[in-house]
Order: sequence, then structure tokens, then C-alpha cells
Amino acid sequence: GNSVTQMEGPVTLSEEAFLTINCTYTATGYPSLFWYVQYPGEGLQLLLKATKADDKGSNKGFEATYRKETTSFHLEKGSVQVSDSAVYFCALSPNRDDKIIFGKGTRLHILP
Amino acid sequence: EADIYQTPRYLVIGTGKKITLECSQTMGHDKMYWYQQDPGMELHLIHYSYGVNSTEKGDLSSESTVSRIRTEHFPLTLESARPSHTSQYLCASGDRVTDTQCFGPGTRLTVL
Repeated sequence: GNSVTQMEGPVTLSEEAFLTINCTYTATGYPSLFWYVQYPGEGLQLLLKATKADDKGSNKGFEATYRKETTSFHLEKGSVQVSDSAVYFCALSPNRDDKIIFGKGTRLHILP
Repeated sequence: EADIYQTPRYLVIGTGKKITLECSQTMGHDKMYWYQQDPGMELHLIHYSYGVNSTEKGDLSSESTVSRIRTEHFPLTLESARPSHTSQYLCASGDRVTDTQCFGPGTRLTVL
């Protein structure tokens, strides 16, 4: 079946540190992959996505590359800010007619 | 502006009360979802709909019910609330074109 596994948190970093949040997936076929972010007191919002192998999604300094050979979609940012403190969800969509599957979420704390 | 709304944002009620959580979207999306989010952040799909008069139960068993009489409206009802229903409830709509989900801000329900 389809599933998403992401690293457990919380992840605590100092401002300007390099960030990696690992995400691996299991899927049949060719899913689309996503990262969503949830700021305190809000719903989730789409951060970036990639729809095929070797695609790189990017937004707000965050990047993730769709790696089919390692079934991974790790989230990276070169220099984090306090405002990046949030919960990050990796997700996959098997196809447009099916439900999106979310990972369990990783809480990120950035210290000033 | 296209958006998704949830009301109320916060609700505190006594055991045994009937409640309805409202969710509306202005984007014309056919797909809509209800998630329950536990304090550990994980999202649990409890109901979904792929169009008017179509509703399905999600992966997590729930005592709530939903209806989809209009495309833009997807309310969730609890006939008799219990303390075990205390949680955050997130509504989302799905865009078939971009294969992404848009989330509302959530309703935080507390049952005393």
C-alpha cells in the first residue's frame, strides 16, 4: 500500500542553521509528493510539491527533490529563521482521484 | 478571493450536546475532507466527499456524520458530544487540477 514516513521531532535548531527533515515513501506507480506546513493556530498550507522523478520543488527558501531511486523527498533549507518554527508534513498523492496520504508531522523549533 | 472557512474556531460544550461544525469553500472544488488532529499533530481522515450527495467514511472510525447537499458546504455533526471527541477538526478541499488540498483554519472542540 501507499505510506509516508518522516523523521520524528521535535527538531530544534539555532537561527541560520541548515535544516533537513527526512521523508521516505512507499507507493505503487508514480505519485505526486508534497510538503505542507502548519503554523501555530492555523490549518495546513502547501509549501512545495513535485510531480515526477528528479523534479525539485521550492518555495520560501525550502527545497525538496523527488528521488525515485531512494523513494525520498527530504525537505531542506540553507538558513532557517525563527519564523520557520512550525509543523511540517510530508505527503503523497497516488493519483488525482485518490486521497492524499500524510506523514505524522515533524515539529520544528528555531531558537533566536 | 478563493478560500475555505470553518466556524466556529473554538467551541466548549457539555457532554450530550448536539453540535455542527461548519465548513465552506468558495473554489468550486468537488473533493472535501474532514480530519481530526490529535495533540501529537498526526492527521486522521474521518470523512470525505467527492461531490454532491457523495460521502464516505475515512480511515479513522468516528461517531460524527457529514452531509454534502451543496458543492461549497460540508458540515460535520456530532449527535451527542463526549469528552473523547475533544480535538482539533480540520476541513480541506481538493483541487483535481493541481492535485493539492486547501485547508481551513480548524475548529478546536472541547467537550466537558
